[in-house]
Amino acid sequence: ETGVTQTPRHLVMGMTNKKSLKCEQHLGHNAMYWYKQSAKKPLELMFVYNFKEQTENNSVPSRFSPECPNSSHLFLHLHTLQPEDSALYLCASSQEGTGGFPSSTDTQYFGPGTRLTVL
Amino acid sequence: GIQVEQSPPDLILQEGANSTLRCNFSDSVNNLQWFHQNPWGQLINLFYIPSGTKQNGRLSATTVATERYSLLYISSSQTTDSGVYFCAVEKGGGATNKLIFGTGTLLAVQP
Repeated sequence: ETGVTQTPRHLVMGMTNKKSLKCEQHLGHNAMYWYKQSAKKPLELMFVYNFKEQTENNSVPSRFSPECPNSSHLFLHLHTLQPEDSALYLCASSQEGTGGFPSSTDTQYFGPGTRLTVL
Repeated sequence: GIQVEQSPPDLILQEGANSTLRCNFSDSVNNLQWFHQNPWGQLINLFYIPSGTKQNGRLSATTVATERYSLLYISSSQTTDSGVYFCAVEKGGGATNKLIFGTGTLLAVQP
């Protein structure tokens, strides 16, 4: 496998269910991201992990819980979601430099997404 | 925070036509990227272009950082160019790449 993979590709869950989204990157990158894409809205950054450490939590409700066990894997654990959480959830990865400012190597590579429907 | 506006919001083209998509941003940035999202949701990075001009086949992009806008040119459009084009920017200076996305331009290329 190459690039960034996400599973499952589609998920339907009830509001009382617990499920997890999985992302794996095969690019040797050191940073991973979760984004939410709702209909007719821009992509919203949810979480950022750099070298397995969470560096950004963009005011995301606690019913979304990220986990990054290593620099290649990223999970998003879901529990007691609401219907308005239905969206496309996208994972991305990039190779972050150490200088603090972006460079061309900071290009983000996205997975195919998980289409989530909460009933 | 930085505001990112894209225009037009929707665009319909006949195959073979050329088009220009625009991205305006409200503050100076150190990172600007253009992405294409195909009808199945896959986002593909097209250009990393915080300033200057780049070309890749039928696509080219120009960013005028001092005037806070970027343009994406699509020449001789094909049906496979259909999808949503996003501009994303970052001010920089942080430890990670925190992109702010625009609302996108939905492009439909008809045969």
